[in-house]
Amino acid sequence: DQQVKQNSPSLSVQEGRISILNCDYTNSMFDYFLWYKKYPAEGPTFLISISSIKDKNEDGRFTVFLNKSAKHLSLHIVPSQPGDSAVYFCAADLQGGSEKLVFGKGTKLTVNP
Amino acid sequence: DTGVSQDPRHKITKRGQNVTFRCDPISEHNRLYWYRQTLGQGPEFLTYFQNEAQLEKSRLLSDRFSAERPKGSFSTLEIQRTEQGDSAMYLCASSLWGGALHGYTFGSGTRLTVV
Repeated sequence: DQQVKQNSPSLSVQEGRISILNCDYTNSMFDYFLWYKKYPAEGPTFLISISSIKDKNEDGRFTVFLNKSAKHLSLHIVPSQPGDSAVYFCAADLQGGSEKLVFGKGTKLTVNP
Repeated sequence: DTGVSQDPRHKITKRGQNVTFRCDPISEHNRLYWYRQTLGQGPEFLTYFQNEAQLEKSRLLSDRFSAERPKGSFSTLEIQRTEQGDSAMYLCASSLWGGALHGYTFGSGTRLTVV
């Protein structure tokens, strides 16, 4: 059973436009949500996180929105740049101090010049 | 400090052989994690250490897998009697307290191919 779902395997956008990556989850016990970016042949790089008590967190061009009632979160990248082309993973952490992150399968973002 | 280092970057081994991977975390990080990523999937949690203590293990970590962090610094992950299904990218990460909120720092991984 996949507790964190990224239903879009890929997304293509034009440079300068907004990229919206979506993530759904099933476990209401998740406490924190994180987004990672991964380039080929490199490990995932932490981008941004959000606590379940918030509905929005912003860091520069990256904003994460959390809708707990819908069990849905999204990552907005504005404006998108060609260097943002990578695989983006959504991840979630359980309440109670568990150190186990549960990842989605990822969405490959391509930003075209 | 240059981040989390993993060695080797690539390993090809014959089925049935034993392999060992090494991870050197960021020096001041007290928590160390192992994840496995197969093609088309996100990373899957294997185990984590707080200092030298192994505090959580996944069901994915069968009895052929063992991880150690002998002095709370570097860690090793050993796979005995490798099987083709063990072929994957093995990722190590480290963090300070509160890593879930601030994110872990991952290494570049060790890609294992079992032939």
